Amino acid sequence: EPEVTQTPSHQVTQMGQEVILRCVPISNHLYFYWYRQILGQKVEFLVSFYNNEISEKSEIFDDQFSVERPDGSNFTLKIRSTKLEDSAMYFCASSRLAGGRDIQYFGAGTRLSVL
Amino acid sequence: EDKVVQSPLSLVVHEGDTVTLNCSYEVTNFRSLLWYKQEKKAPTFLFMLTSSGIEKKSGRLSSILDKKELFSILNITATQTGDSAIYLCAVDNNNDMRFGAGTRLTVKP
Repeated sequence: EPEVTQTPSHQVTQMGQEVILRCVPISNHLYFYWYRQILGQKVEFLVSFYNNEISEKSEIFDDQFSVERPDGSNFTLKIRSTKLEDSAMYFCASSRLAGGRDIQYFGAGTRLSVL
Repeated sequence: EDKVVQSPLSLVVHEGDTVTLNCSYEVTNFRSLLWYKQEKKAPTFLFMLTSSGIEKKSGRLSSILDKKELFSILNITATQTGDSAIYLCAVDNNNDMRFGAGTRLTVKP
């Protein structure tokens, strides 16, 4: 069964460093998403991406964050200068359609620990 | 502001019990409501609901949506220890999903 894959599963970084979280969405999906879940809190939407541009972003997704689809398969989330409060589980998701017409499938997540 | 509220936040039952999890929502541009099960890591998909009153079933799990009263319920009958997880309700409002805080279900043997 096709699945969304994320690497690494755990990333440890020093405050102020840049990190890139990687995702390979399901191959025939066109819409891509990043979510984060701070330990013990709810899953929060960060950004959606379609046709090589951001469709929607939340207030969390500030100038420190960026997303890219550098080739035909990867979808990345970059955090430019990490802060302690960026420590969270980051989930990538993808869907064939958007607008509530299709299921978003989630990857297993990358746990980011900022020290 | 869009809101998704789940109740209860936590539930402890014994194997064989039936449970009902609740999700109410207020969103400006509702498209669909989804239920996910989160065990250790990734939320795994359970149901997607778009129409009122149509029950979706998968084994011991079922769910229904009421778009007039703005809520959904997830029922699990004959619970098993493997049902222990956090159950997430999410509402798709066209471009992103808003999640509730989840219901942590613990099923004791």
